[in-house]
Amino acid sequence: GQNIDQPTEMTATEGAIVQINCTYQTSGFNGLFWYQQHAGEAPTFLSYNVLDGLEEKGRFSSFLSRSKGYSYLLLKELQMKDSASYLCAAIDSNYQLIWGAGTKLIIKP
Amino acid sequence: IAGITQAPTSQILAAGRRMTLRCTQDMRHNAMYWYRQDLGLGLRLIHYSNTAGTTGKGEVPDGYSVSRANTDDFPLTLASAVPSQTSVYFCASSDSAESSSYNEQFFGPGTRLTVL
Repeated sequence: GQNIDQPTEMTATEGAIVQINCTYQTSGFNGLFWYQQHAGEAPTFLSYNVLDGLEEKGRFSSFLSRSKGYSYLLLKELQMKDSASYLCAAIDSNYQLIWGAGTKLIIKP
Repeated sequence: IAGITQAPTSQILAAGRRMTLRCTQDMRHNAMYWYRQDLGLGLRLIHYSNTAGTTGKGEVPDGYSVSRANTDDFPLTLASAVPSQTSVYFCASSDSAESSSYNEQFFGPGTRLTVL
């Protein structure tokens, strides 16, 4: 079957760095998305990776290893507004998105 | 309007009643999707439409139906609501059914549905 695994919850301190991991098992692979979702709001796009390596976008970076079925989202210089859930989603061979359950990130002052 | 809208924002519904959740996008996207989101389960695809006039079943289609008469609108109907359909429902759209770096999904604000 197809599966996405990510931690349920993580806690970090304002100003610090946090890494949210995601492992995936899909029938075929055509890329991986990270979305951010604040409580009570819709998910919003953060990043997309299809090739191995690191994609940097300001304070946020996303890494992909296709051979390991692994990705991570790296958040630097954490701010209180980064408190949200982070959703990992892999694209399978039929171009359908397979979603993880999300990681709730709690930022403490 | 700009983007994707959903109505109603929230609804309390008696079991057995019929309900239609509305979704409209003005981005001229070809593909549209309906998801439900429940605690601990993440987003689950109910139905999708790759282009106007076509629809398909997702992971959890039972008890739901959709139609896609035009590009902009993609209503979701619960023919006879049951308490297990209590959830937050998100509509999304993308330029193409093929997800890629240029085809990320854009989400509406969601509808919170409670079935009693």
